[in-house]
Amino acid sequence: EVKLVESGGGLVQPGRSLKLSCAASGFSFNDYWMGWVRQAPGKGLEWIGEINQDSSTINYTPSLKDKFTISRDNAQNTLYLQMSKLGSEDTAIYYCAPDTFDYWGQGVMVTVSS
Amino acid sequence: DIQMTQSPSFLSASVGDRVTINCKASQNINKYLNWYQQKLGEAPKRLIYNTNNLQTGIPSRFSGSGSGTDYTLTISSLQPEDFATYFCLQHNSFPLTFGSGTKLEIK
Repeated sequence: EVKLVESGGGLVQPGRSLKLSCAASGFSFNDYWMGWVRQAPGKGLEWIGEINQDSSTINYTPSLKDKFTISRDNAQNTLYLQMSKLGSEDTAIYYCAPDTFDYWGQGVMVTVSS
Repeated sequence: DIQMTQSPSFLSASVGDRVTINCKASQNINKYLNWYQQKLGEAPKRLIYNTNNLQTGIPSRFSGSGSGTDYTLTISSLQPEDFATYFCLQHNSFPLTFGSGTKLEIK
């Protein structure tokens, strides 16, 4: 069974950083590009970016490229999202998924507020 | 970036109705278009991939069509469990982009 479990979310002050994790199981993690998508409260879905199998290629949505960094650890079957200079606009549920976007984690909430 | 214009934003329909939801891309996306259903408090669920391929386990009342810039999700006979929000996703080129969503409600 494919399982994706995001963690690391919570309440963070504006301007601070936060690192999310996504633990994957049930499929061959190191065979897939992996990505992050977010959804602000009551809003639509926004693709953040994706990383290829050996981390040699990472694509981001342009507006987030300077704030967010995607990485992975294939030995740990884990995907990461490092977020910096957080603002209220980054308040959202963050989901991880393989690049086929057929399986999704349950999401993790990040709230940016003082 | 490819813009995805989804319509309608809101749709009111009855059980048994046939409904269509549309996504128009700002340029040719070569049928690299997926459809998702999302219920309140849940992660999105993929219904259709690459325009017209039904995800395993999804009922056959869901179907997709289209080419070039214009794509359609059709639900042939609405069931109570289909009332949800639907999104399209183009994965032809980076950055990937989603449609803004269609909220399907019971009339």
